[in-house]
Amino acid sequence: EVQLVQSGAEVKKPGESLKISCKGSGYSFTSYWIGWVRQMPGKGLEWMGIIYPGDSDTRYSPSFQGQVTISADKSISTAYLQWGSLKASDTAMYYCARLSGSGGNFLDYWGQGTLVTVSS
Amino acid sequence: QSALTQPRSVSGSPGQSVTISCTGTSSDVGGYNYVSWYQQHPGKAPKLMIHDVSKRPSGVPDRFSGSKSGNTASLTVSGLQAEDEADYYCCSYAGSYTWVFGGGTKLTVL
Repeated sequence: EVQLVQSGAEVKKPGESLKISCKGSGYSFTSYWIGWVRQMPGKGLEWMGIIYPGDSDTRYSPSFQGQVTISADKSISTAYLQWGSLKASDTAMYYCARLSGSGGNFLDYWGQGTLVTVSS
Repeated sequence: QSALTQPRSVSGSPGQSVTISCTGTSSDVGGYNYVSWYQQHPGKAPKLMIHDVSKRPSGVPDRFSGSKSGNTASLTVSGLQAEDEADYYCCSYAGSYTWVFGGGTKLTVL
């Protein structure tokens, strides 16, 4: 069974750093891109970027380039999303999902989400 | 890269059909047959309902169907059921390893 399990909710202060994780199981983790999606409170889904764990090739949405860092450790089948200095506007639910299809063009399995709250 | 345009809300009675539109440009929806649709119930992760414009993953009821004409994709839900009440998001490949979501549509079953 394909599963993506994300790390738990986080409460941070502005300016702090954070790294959240997404662990894949039940499939070849190195053979599929993993995407990250943001959902701000009461708002829609936003595409942040993707990573190919096989070689760590990473692509960012222009809106998120330079704002976050996506990485992966294929030895433990885990992808990461990190911030160097959080802002209140980073408060959101963050989802990881597997990119599937020929060429990889849809998200077929999703993690449960990680809620990040940034507040002083 | 602007979000795809979806109606904020649609509604229908049980048994009826509703269609949700998703309008983009020739750089995204119109340029690729890579439109997908996701259903999201409150407090839950999104779920894939349609991919590659009109293909249904295993386990998704055939009441859900997708289509595309020009720069506009559509999701039709036939034979509405109470459990179909949710938010629906379209998503399209936009080239250069980027994707764009629609703003989301709230489907209400009256």
